[in-house]
Amino acid sequence: AQSVAQPEDQVNVAEGNPLTVKCTYSVSGNPYLFWYVQYPNRGLQFLLKYITGDNLVKGSYGFEAEFNKSQTSFHLKKPSALVSDSALYFCAVRGPLGQAGTALIFGKGTTLSVSS
Amino acid sequence: GAGVSQSPRYKVTKRGQDVALRCDPISGHVSLYWYRQALGQGPEFLTYFNYEAQQDKSGLPNDRFSAERPEGSISTLTIQRTEQRDSAMYRCASSGLDSTGELFFGEGARLTLL
Repeated sequence: AQSVAQPEDQVNVAEGNPLTVKCTYSVSGNPYLFWYVQYPNRGLQFLLKYITGDNLVKGSYGFEAEFNKSQTSFHLKKPSALVSDSALYFCAVRGPLGQAGTALIFGKGTTLSVSS
Repeated sequence: GAGVSQSPRYKVTKRGQDVALRCDPISGHVSLYWYRQALGQGPEFLTYFNYEAQQDKSGLPNDRFSAERPEGSISTLTIQRTEQRDSAMYRCASSGLDSTGELFFGEGARLTLL
């Protein structure tokens, strides 16, 4: 069965500094990997996904993620953090599919706090 | 509709009552998912549908929980004989035919047991 681990409960960075939110995964076969963000009292918003191809994936709000097959990791990154990036971030994995639609399995989340 | 719509958004009920949570997915989306999210935790998979067929219900915690999607559009998650431990945010999501596609989430339904 597929699983996702987010080893850090919280990441603190200063505004303008680069940020990394870590994610490792376990899945049979090639993974489909996703990052979502959740702002207080809001639903989950899609940031980016890796399906195949270039290991560096670019997404919304200047975020990017690097897929590393040998380390089974999919870390979320941003070159310069903003205070408005402060939120709860979730990594998710979906295994290879034989038909349309298979549920995403989410990590427990990492709270990102960006200080001014 | 433009997005995934859930109703009610907030539900307060007494222990032992039955609760029905409704989800209206994005128009044309084939797949519909139910998740439960406890405070400070990630969404926990409950069940999902392709069209009207329930594909996987392995995440439903016990037989008090059930879900249906009779016409392949709107779905209802029902919790019978609610218990204190059922208090959580219940989230619905939908996705299109593209099996690599992301899920689009609704705002969620907050269930509180008195």
